[in-house]
Amino acid sequence: DQQVKQNSPSLSVQEGRISILNCDYTNSMFDYFLWYKKYPAEGPTFLISISSIKDKNEDGRFTVFLNKSAKHLSLHIVPSQPGDSAVYFCAASAPGEAAGNKLTFGGGTRVLVKP
Amino acid sequence: DSGVTQTPKHLITATGQRVTLRCSPRSGDLSVYWYQQSLDQGLQFLIHYYNGEERAKGNILERFSAQQFPDLHSELNLSSLELGDSALYFCASSVNVGSSETQYFGPGTRLLVL
Repeated sequence: DQQVKQNSPSLSVQEGRISILNCDYTNSMFDYFLWYKKYPAEGPTFLISISSIKDKNEDGRFTVFLNKSAKHLSLHIVPSQPGDSAVYFCAASAPGEAAGNKLTFGGGTRVLVKP
Repeated sequence: DSGVTQTPKHLITATGQRVTLRCSPRSGDLSVYWYQQSLDQGLQFLIHYYNGEERAKGNILERFSAQQFPDLHSELNLSSLELGDSALYFCASSVNVGSSETQYFGPGTRLLVL
């Protein structure tokens, strides 16, 4: 049962344009959402997060939008740069001891930014 | 650099053997988490320790165990290794417990079981 899904395995975008990555979730108990970027042979690097009490969070070129009614979040990167080429994971966590503070990850979206 | 360190970076061993993976959290972080990334399963939560105590278990096999020491570093022990245990093992840390804690990941240990 995949509780967090990234339906686009890959995305190609021109340098300078906007990259939009999407993520859907099914567990309504999730209250904290994160985006990580991962290069080959490295660990995931934290990019940006959003709490379920907000619908938008912005940090520099990165903006995350949360639509709780649709159980959907997206990451916008603008402008995209060649160094943004990586695999992006969305992740979610739920409160309470039963949830165990674990992160549930989507399958990732590979982004290629073309110069 | 997240501040989380993991050793070794690569490990090659044979089926049936036992290995220990080590993780040092960021300075000041009390929580340590272990995740496994395999080709077919993606990133999966294994176990969470907070200040030396086990807090939660995920899909961790009985052949696997972990502990967190008084200096807050953690070790993941994998025994009776099988070919299917080949994967990337990541450790992450956060300051405290709670679903709104951001987890910062180490560079990982790549385990190859032959």
